[in-house]
Amino acid sequence: DVKVTQSSRYLVKRTGEKVFLECVQDMDHENMFWYRQDPGLGLRLIYFSYDVKMKEKGDIPEGYSVSREKKERFSLILESASTNQTSMYLCASSRLAGGSHEQYFGPGTRLTVT
Amino acid sequence: AQSVTQPDIHITVSEGASLELRCNYSYGATPYLFWYVQSPGQGLQLLLKYFSGDTLVQGIKGFEAEFKRSQSSFNLRKPSVHWSDAAEYFCAVGARAGGSYIPTFGRGTSLIVHP
Repeated sequence: DVKVTQSSRYLVKRTGEKVFLECVQDMDHENMFWYRQDPGLGLRLIYFSYDVKMKEKGDIPEGYSVSREKKERFSLILESASTNQTSMYLCASSRLAGGSHEQYFGPGTRLTVT
Repeated sequence: AQSVTQPDIHITVSEGASLELRCNYSYGATPYLFWYVQSPGQGLQLLLKYFSGDTLVQGIKGFEAEFKRSQSSFNLRKPSVHWSDAAEYFCAVGARAGGSYIPTFGRGTSLIVHP
């Protein structure tokens, strides 16, 4: 059974803290993605990566950075958390090419910044 | 840039009734289209996808969708809704980026099922 796991389901942090969200996939996928999901706004792409140490900005990268040191792991970093980053964060992975282009999603991390 | 519009924020149906969720897309080339479902507290799961060929595609859980190029639409249908179908549904259009397709998601439609 394919799997994308996220390090925490719920996280509460204080304003100004540095926050790490971790995502691991076991499908040997090249692509990995970070989205944030807010009511009425759907999923918005923050960053994606198509290879180790490679990253591309998505639609809303401001205030975020990412790290991909190993193929299976993709980290989202909030350098200095702010209350407007309170949201649900979803990680996903997919095959680079030759596949169905289906994305596989983790269960999400609900982050609250107080 | 590509975009997806899901005009209905909420849809309420009775169990056993038919369902149609609307999706309109904007994309300059041949689109890759997806429908995902998100059950409460879960990540997203692929229901079905369209890349080419037959414009009526079948998916999991009894869902189907029809691609209509002239209307830029990819509406999701189910002939008889079950209570377990209550969830958030997302339409997405994939834009080519290198060897991959990066999806842009719509804002979602929340399906409420009455017994």
